[in-house]
Amino acid sequence: NAGVMQNPRHLVRRRGQEARLRCSPMKGHSHVYWYRQLPEEGLKFMVYLQKENIIDESGMPKERFSAEFPKEGPSILRIQQVVRGDSAAYFCASSPTGGGINNEQFFGPGTRLTVL
Amino acid sequence: GQNIDQPTEMTATEGAIVQINCTYQTSGFNGLFWYQQHAGEAPTFLSYNVLDGLEEKGRFSSFLSRSKGYSYLLLKELQMKDSASYLCAVRGYSTLTFGKGTMLLVSP
Repeated sequence: NAGVMQNPRHLVRRRGQEARLRCSPMKGHSHVYWYRQLPEEGLKFMVYLQKENIIDESGMPKERFSAEFPKEGPSILRIQQVVRGDSAAYFCASSPTGGGINNEQFFGPGTRLTVL
Repeated sequence: GQNIDQPTEMTATEGAIVQINCTYQTSGFNGLFWYQQHAGEAPTFLSYNVLDGLEEKGRFSSFLSRSKGYSYLLLKELQMKDSASYLCAVRGYSTLTFGKGTMLLVSP
């Protein structure tokens, strides 16, 4: 049973370019979460999605960032016109359901974005 | 709002016991998680507490006091491979709020 998959593992972009990060949840999981981890910082929640729906995007910057989780295919976090401050590790996690007791989130290996 | 505090770093020797504390103030509470994260890798689940008391799982135990907004992770019989960052996270309804993590260095 494959775990959460993310690609690419490493991504280098120049300022002003677009970055697309992909996340395939574990089999049977329909809930996806994106987190950002800056150097020396904790994981910061960005957005929570179910298939075709954004449930909570309270942690996502209002500009340049967007996320989707289509009916078919992986979840995508898109960062437009990247700036150096976007350099970070972006982790995706998935869970079988959203709320409820003991609903563990399983994390993917992350995508390390470097903006030159 | 959410605020989670844990020590930045701790050191211990192989074979010893170490306790990593976590205090939190949150607007909603549906459980507290501990994750382990090695450098450059994904966080991996260690434990979950939603009721007061101690949960034991092998060499690792986690304690929760909801009235005090306090948890700790206890690691026994430390091994070199336990050197990692330990993340305390509180769940609201469905999202997790993480502390900055405690970097544990285990020395021979």
